[in-house]
Amino acid sequence: DIIMTQSPDSLSVSLGERATINCKSSQSVLSSANNKNYLGWYQQKPGQPPKLLIYWASTRESGVPDRFSGSGSGTDFTLTISSLQAEDVAVYYCQQHYTSLRTFGQGTKVEIK
Amino acid sequence: EVQLVESGGGFIPPGGSLRLSCAASGFTVTSNSMSWVRQAPGKGLECVSLIYSGGTTYYADSVKGRFTISRDYSKNTLYLQMNTLRAEDTALYYCAHERVGVYDYWGLGTLVTVSS
Repeated sequence: DIIMTQSPDSLSVSLGERATINCKSSQSVLSSANNKNYLGWYQQKPGQPPKLLIYWASTRESGVPDRFSGSGSGTDFTLTISSLQAEDVAVYYCQQHYTSLRTFGQGTKVEIK
Repeated sequence: EVQLVESGGGFIPPGGSLRLSCAASGFTVTSNSMSWVRQAPGKGLECVSLIYSGGTTYYADSVKGRFTISRDYSKNTLYLQMNTLRAEDTALYYCAHERVGVYDYWGLGTLVTVSS
């Protein structure tokens, strides 16, 4: 299994400031066949199912605000919220889809400072 | 519009069995890849089972041999048969639609509580 490790476990950011979440995979999720990173990001608010934000490590899902961006390659990835809004308070998860046994990171809780 | 509605959860003693259902609308279950993803209370997300559009299935080690994923074309429904349930299977079980390996549509989940 590919193990996904996120850091930090939680962070407090002031409104309008940048939030950065890291995700590391135990093996590369970069495909040599198509040069794509099989990495997605989700946002989960209390009492709701997760919402897809990013796939292929950096492709924003339709309707997702452009303050959310993903970057990285191979084993190291980052989700950035460029200007934190109140509605961004949530838990964020990374997920690899390189192997059929999809695995998630443990989650990062984002709060307002 | 895509919609996923899970059902079948409940309170069950250890060793018992339960079958979860996920009724889909807006797409054909048998033509798409889908997963069951669970979330224990206050914990993170775990994909427990996946079925590809072609029918190939995968299971997490934690449920292999105990859980079976299946689907019904006529009912447009995804299932998860769960046998020999353990306390650690207690969780909210979501069904999710896959697109390029990520989950773009989710149901609201059905809660399974395994306890004596």
